[in-house]
Amino acid sequence: GAVVSQHPSRVICKSGTSVKIECRSLDFQATTMFWYRQFPKKSLMLMATSNEGSKATYEQGVEKDKFLINHASLTLSTLTVTSAHPEDSSFYICSAPDTPYGYTFGSGTRLTVV
Amino acid sequence: AQSVSQHNHHVILSEAASLELGCNYSYGGTVNLFWYVQYPGQHLQLLLKYFSGDPLVKGIKGFEAEFIKSKFSFNLRKPSVQWSDTAEYFCAVSLFSGGYNKLIFGAGTRLAVHP
Repeated sequence: GAVVSQHPSRVICKSGTSVKIECRSLDFQATTMFWYRQFPKKSLMLMATSNEGSKATYEQGVEKDKFLINHASLTLSTLTVTSAHPEDSSFYICSAPDTPYGYTFGSGTRLTVV
Repeated sequence: AQSVSQHNHHVILSEAASLELGCNYSYGGTVNLFWYVQYPGQHLQLLLKYFSGDPLVKGIKGFEAEFIKSKFSFNLRKPSVQWSDTAEYFCAVSLFSGGYNKLIFGAGTRLAVHP
């Protein structure tokens, strides 16, 4: 079946640095990629939607300049957390529609900012 | 604004008990509905989905859900739970908004099944 490969699975970074998370669709073309953030013991919050060849669409309350999203090709979308702070520590998950109505999820990235 | 509500945040059951987890959504347009499960330390897995047709949908591992359009509900059920069903369950709704489809999740229900 469809697979979305997400890297890295875990990253620890210092406060003030930037971290890039990649999601690749391995056996299908993902024109759209959804980026979620999951807080401990909480649900997945949709942050933004990246679209290949156009600007990402951000949900209300999500800082565009802090969470930079790029959809460079039909198989790659990246999320860069810029100038990371401890409050950005979270679990980030990407998801791509793999059929007209289905979705495939990446394995997630646990970001810890120290 | 569109939203998905899951009424039970924590549910504790004994093995063989019946399960029903509530899910309601607020959106007046056409939706596709999903239930996902997340076992401890694992990815989200799709349990079942509803797009159209028979509102009673059967999924994997003995789970089923019923779409009641008039109530904007999509409750998840299982007649007899097992210890291995201990996990977190998420209801999700796919809808068309702002020019594209997006998938919105409920807050999740943490299920603990005791032997």
